[in-house]
Amino acid sequence: AQSVTQPDIHITVSEGASLELRCNYSYGATPYLFWYVQSPGQGLQLLLKYFSGDTLVQGIKGFEAEFKRSQSSFNLRKPSVHWSDAAEYFCAVGAAGSARQLTFGSGTQLTVLP
Amino acid sequence: GAGVSQSPSNKVTEKGKDVELRCDPISGHTALYWYRQSLGQGLEFLIYFQGNSAPDKSGLPSDRFSAERTGGSVSTLTIQRTQQEDSAVYLCASSDFSGLPHYEQYFGPGTRLTVT
Repeated sequence: AQSVTQPDIHITVSEGASLELRCNYSYGATPYLFWYVQSPGQGLQLLLKYFSGDTLVQGIKGFEAEFKRSQSSFNLRKPSVHWSDAAEYFCAVGAAGSARQLTFGSGTQLTVLP
Repeated sequence: GAGVSQSPSNKVTEKGKDVELRCDPISGHTALYWYRQSLGQGLEFLIYFQGNSAPDKSGLPSDRFSAERTGGSVSTLTIQRTQQEDSAVYLCASSDFSGLPHYEQYFGPGTRLTVT
C-alpha cells in the first residue's frame, strides 16, 4: 500500500522568503503525486500534480515541485512567499489501480510572518 | 454547476443519533469520493463510487457507516448511532473518470460534524 510522509508539522517563514515543504512517498510503481492547499474553512485546492514526464512541475500561485525518484520525494517550493500563502499543505499519492483513491500526508501548516 | 457542494456545512448531533451528509459532485463527473479529516488523523479515505456502484469501501471505519449514490450524481453518507469519535470534517470529491492519467479530484468545502 502507498504512504506519504510530511516530516514538518509546522513551518514559519517571513513574507518574501523562499519556501520548501517536504514530502516523501512510498509506492511500488510510478506514483501519481499531488500537492493540495487548504485554507481555513475551505476545501482542498489542487496546486500541482505529477503523472509522468518532466520531473519539475509548475503549479498555480507560483508553486513548483520536483519529483525525485531516487529519493522518493516530491518537495514543494516557492521562491517568494506571500502572506496569503498561509494555509495547510497536503501531499498526496494516487493509486494506479482501480480504486484511484488518494493517500494523503498528515499536512504541513504554514505560517507567514509580516 | 460551479464546483462540488456539500450540505450541511455544519452539523451538531447528540451521541447515538443518525446523521446524513450530502454531496453534489461537479456535473458530469462519474467518480465520487468521501474522505474524513480528523484532528490528529489527517485525511482518511472512506469510500469511492464509480457511477452508482462502490468498488472500494475499504475505508469505512465500521458498519455504522454507509453511503449511496443515485443517478450517478448526488451521494449521501450516513452515520448511524453516532459516537464522539465520529466528530470530524467529512470531505467529498469528484473527478472525471473518462481516462488516465487525468483523474484530478475536486474537493467540496466539507461538512463539519460534531457529536456531543
